[in-house]
Amino acid sequence: SQQGEEDPQALSIQEGENATMNCSYKTSINNLQWYRQNSGRGLVHLILIRSNEREKHSGRLRVTLDTSKKSSSLLITASRAADTASYFCATGSYGNNRLAFGKGNQVVVIP
Amino acid sequence: NAGVTQTPKFQVLKTGQSMTLQCAQDMNHEYMSWYRQDPGMGLRLIHYSVGAGITDQGEVPNGYNVSRSTTEDFPLRLLSAAPSQTSVYFCASSYAGAEGSYGYTFGSGTRLTVV
Repeated sequence: SQQGEEDPQALSIQEGENATMNCSYKTSINNLQWYRQNSGRGLVHLILIRSNEREKHSGRLRVTLDTSKKSSSLLITASRAADTASYFCATGSYGNNRLAFGKGNQVVVIP
Repeated sequence: NAGVTQTPKFQVLKTGQSMTLQCAQDMNHEYMSWYRQDPGMGLRLIHYSVGAGITDQGEVPNGYNVSRSTTEDFPLRLLSAAPSQTSVYFCASSYAGAEGSYGYTFGSGTRLTVV
């Protein structure tokens, strides 16, 4: 079953603005990951945050995790047209290597 | 370093035909998996493997078989294609951790149409 649920489902912003996406999940997790998918391509791993971490940065990406609310957010700062893509959150459980993916969040950055 | 290679990129099958989707990785990853991606459904896990000789079912395994004879290869077989198997198929690999998952490397996908 789908674990992560992204919100909002679709987002359209101007280049230079920040884009924020949220992901909620239902069960206990070991880690949460975010992926990007450009149209017609495979998914690309962006960042992994473990359940004992609250915030993580990678370049223009900032991820937060609130295990008490079972939610995560992905912030892309100073967006670029090249950030136009679908973004997926995925949750990993303890004791196995499987990931459960959400349905994705489409982001359009207007030049 | 090629990463994860999937072949073919596109395929059209007739109902009832069988075929094998190929997946190979050169990163010595123990864990490999197959997902299908359908509009509005996200990615759903079909089968996965934690090492050579070990496979298990995911969320939607019916109509698909897998085997893992080597660390590098993880083919997905469609036994008797049905229109409901029209989808984009992704193979992914990662290191295998005892406590939990690592980041996945995905292939570029196989777009399959069953008519």
